[in-house]
Amino acid sequence: GNSVTQMEGPVTLSEEAFLTINCTYTATGYPSLFWYVQYPGEGLQLLLKATKADDKGSNKGFEATYRKETTSFHLEKGSVQVSDSAVYFCALIQGGSEKLVFGKGMKLTVNP
Amino acid sequence: DTAVSQTPKYLVTQMGNDKSIKCEQNLGHDTMYWYKQDSKKFLKIMFSYNNKELIINETVPNRFSPKSPDKAHLNLHINSLELGDSAVYFCASSQVSGDGYTFGSGTRLTVV
Repeated sequence: GNSVTQMEGPVTLSEEAFLTINCTYTATGYPSLFWYVQYPGEGLQLLLKATKADDKGSNKGFEATYRKETTSFHLEKGSVQVSDSAVYFCALIQGGSEKLVFGKGMKLTVNP
Repeated sequence: DTAVSQTPKYLVTQMGNDKSIKCEQNLGHDTMYWYKQDSKKFLKIMFSYNNKELIINETVPNRFSPKSPDKAHLNLHINSLELGDSAVYFCASSQVSGDGYTFGSGTRLTVV
């Protein structure tokens, strides 16, 4: 079945550090890929998405590129802020399915 | 104006009780979902309804019964609550699954 594997945290960074959160997936065909963010005590918000190979999703300084050859969708940000402290989830939807499948999430803490 | 709203936000109840969580979306989406987030932040789909019709029913105890009176509402009723039901329950909706879901802010259920 479809699955998403994320690097496990938690991760603590200093403000202005570079962030990479690895995400790889297993799926048949061409799934749509997503990053969701969950701030403390809140629900999930869509951060960015990509629907086909080589698409780059971007939002709030975060970027991720859909790599079909490596089945990856790594999240990057060049300079993190304290306000980026949250749990980040990689997810996919297989074409023809209504089921959004999540990775296990990675907690990021950014210290000033 | 809240897009996906859940009530209540917090629910503390005793084992054996029956409780309901309500969800409403004002986005005009056709599909609604219930997800469970456990203490390790792992998210798993429970149910999905498309225009009042059940389309996804994962391996969930039959103590959990979703009800969709119309396409804007999806409620979750839980009978004979158990300690293991303690979790955060998220409602979500979507129009086109490839666009991702919009999530509510969650209901934290604690069974004591």
